[in-house]
Amino acid sequence: DVKVTQSSRYLVKRTGEKVFLECVQDMDHENMFWYRQDPGLGLRLIYFSYDVKMKEKGDIPEGYSVSREKKERFSLILESASTNQTSMYLCASSFSAHGAAWHFGPGTRLTVT
Amino acid sequence: AQRVTQPEKLLSVFKGAPVELKCNYSYSGSPELFWYVQYSRQRLQLLLRHISRESIKGFTADLNKGETSFHLKKPFAQEEDSAMYYCALGTSGTYKYIFGTGTRLKVLA
Repeated sequence: DVKVTQSSRYLVKRTGEKVFLECVQDMDHENMFWYRQDPGLGLRLIYFSYDVKMKEKGDIPEGYSVSREKKERFSLILESASTNQTSMYLCASSFSAHGAAWHFGPGTRLTVT
Repeated sequence: AQRVTQPEKLLSVFKGAPVELKCNYSYSGSPELFWYVQYSRQRLQLLLRHISRESIKGFTADLNKGETSFHLKKPFAQEEDSAMYYCALGTSGTYKYIFGTGTRLKVLA
């Protein structure tokens, strides 16, 4: 069974702090994704990566960056956290095949005060 | 532009009643469509995909290209079906999917 894990379930940070969210998958998936999930807005793609060191911007990349140094690990970085980045962050991974199922992590609820 | 629309934010039905969660998409090519479900305090997980033409937990969904819809149906709702449901669209040439805004299903006893 595919396992996608995220480094924290809950995080509380102060405005201006640099925040790291980590995601690890154990199924050798090529693709990894970071989403934020907000009520009424659904899932919005922040960044995705289709290979090591490769990344592409999603729909809302502003204020975020990512790193993928190893295939199994995809990190989301908030360079200077702001209150409007308070949200649930979901990581997902998949094979590079059309119709492939996505596997999600449990989510990290980030609160920026 | 590619888009997924789930018109209902909340759908409440009584146990044993039929359920239909609506999903409409906008895409000129050949779509891949999925339903994902998130139960309370659980992670988002795949419910079903149109290419499999399967029934999972009594749910089915048929792709209607003429109406550009992929509605999720179940003839008799159960309380354990209460969850958040997301419709997702995959398009050719990319492995990223577009999600709808979700519908919260509440099944009342």
